Amino acid sequence: DAGVTQSPTHLIKTRGQHVTLRCSPISGHKSVSWYQQVLGQGPQFIFQYYEKEERGRGNFPDRFSARQFPNYSSELNVNALLLGDSALYLCASSFITGDTGELFFGEGSRLTVL
Amino acid sequence: EDQVTQSPEALRLQEGESSSLNCSYTVSGLRGLFWYRQDPGKGPEFLFTLYSAGEEKEKERLKATLTKKESFLHITAPKPEDSATYLCAVQAGNQGGKLIFGQGTELSVKP
Repeated sequence: DAGVTQSPTHLIKTRGQHVTLRCSPISGHKSVSWYQQVLGQGPQFIFQYYEKEERGRGNFPDRFSARQFPNYSSELNVNALLLGDSALYLCASSFITGDTGELFFGEGSRLTVL
Repeated sequence: EDQVTQSPEALRLQEGESSSLNCSYTVSGLRGLFWYRQDPGKGPEFLFTLYSAGEEKEKERLKATLTKKESFLHITAPKPEDSATYLCAVQAGNQGGKLIFGQGTELSVKP
């Protein structure tokens, strides 16, 4: 069975640009979460979506937004990129929301902002 | 403020040399404590969930334990393939599915 898939795997942007990251959850999983992982740090929660509704938001500026589609896939959008947005962006899926920390992570999208 | 602190930041062991990783936490209403393994360039891989003090879980050479303030990941007779970063995370009672991660312990096991 396919795991969580993310695209693109690597990308380079310049300051001020916009980026869209995509995630397909494991088949049957209805909850998708996004995390940012800066080098040498643990993942930091950005968003959680369940059944196309936002169920949680971390301490990130409004430049960060996300959505979930009817097929449960998800997009993370970041506007007006800053150098500090350089990180590994991880998508994780689970069958339900809020009841388990057993998240299944993708391999991430490595964003470099120059 | 909910917080997770892991120690040490890095640990180097010889193959077969047992040791423990520590995860200290402060959280409002712990719903669960989780251990993940992360290999370089990969996403975290789930290992264990612990829900209450006194609980223990085992998987191969790994054993996780939980008290009211900390968790330990014991590694018995490690092998080079156990080399990875081990992440601890907590889920608070009032924050849905959000996980709060520690910074991780980078484990290196030399043959």
